[in-house]
Amino acid sequence: DGGITQSPKYLFRKEGQNVTLSCEQNLNHDAMYWYRQDPGQGLRLIYYSQIVNDFQKGDIAEGYSVSREKKESFPLTVTSAQKNPTAFYLCASSPTGTYTEAFFGQGTRLTVV
Amino acid sequence: GQQLNQSPQSMFIQEGEDVSMNCTSSSIFNTWLWYKQDPGEGPVLLIALYKAGELTSNGRLTAQFGITRKDSFLNISASIPSDVGIYFCAGPEYTPLVFGKGTRLSVIA
Repeated sequence: DGGITQSPKYLFRKEGQNVTLSCEQNLNHDAMYWYRQDPGQGLRLIYYSQIVNDFQKGDIAEGYSVSREKKESFPLTVTSAQKNPTAFYLCASSPTGTYTEAFFGQGTRLTVV
Repeated sequence: GQQLNQSPQSMFIQEGEDVSMNCTSSSIFNTWLWYKQDPGEGPVLLIALYKAGELTSNGRLTAQFGITRKDSFLNISASIPSDVGIYFCAGPEYTPLVFGKGTRLSVIA
């Protein structure tokens, strides 16, 4: 089945450590996105990529990094510079040439302990 | 940047009741999308609207693209327990999707 797979579902990290969240899609979409969700805050854009080997910062990129070496994959690294990393992270993708109708993965809940 | 305001922030309703929620934008949108997020899951697209004044249904859900192109409405008829979740509006211009903060719906059986 086509879709977006995020892993792991739950992730625990010690303060000061970097951690990488995985996002893979087999929808043949060119564009991929990372959003952060906090209670009552809605979805806020971290990074997005419209094509392989290219990506742009979103509204809250500080403390995060991404790569886009393959069309299917868009991993997100939460670095130790992110001051409040505990959140629900959502990956999405959308078809070529349009930002509409993004499809989401099931999310990764990151907790800093 | 673009801002979307959703209201109400939360709703508690009895099973069987109808629900209405809306979303307003600070700028004109060419597309309005409505998503639903079940607890602990990613959002799922419910309805997409592409034309001002458009009224689109998906089962018990009906959404409208406001004629000013700065607002949209979502109605749910005869609510059931599985309608529980957070409903988001989203309205892209020529940028990645911008989301409202959501309307949290609770259904009391």
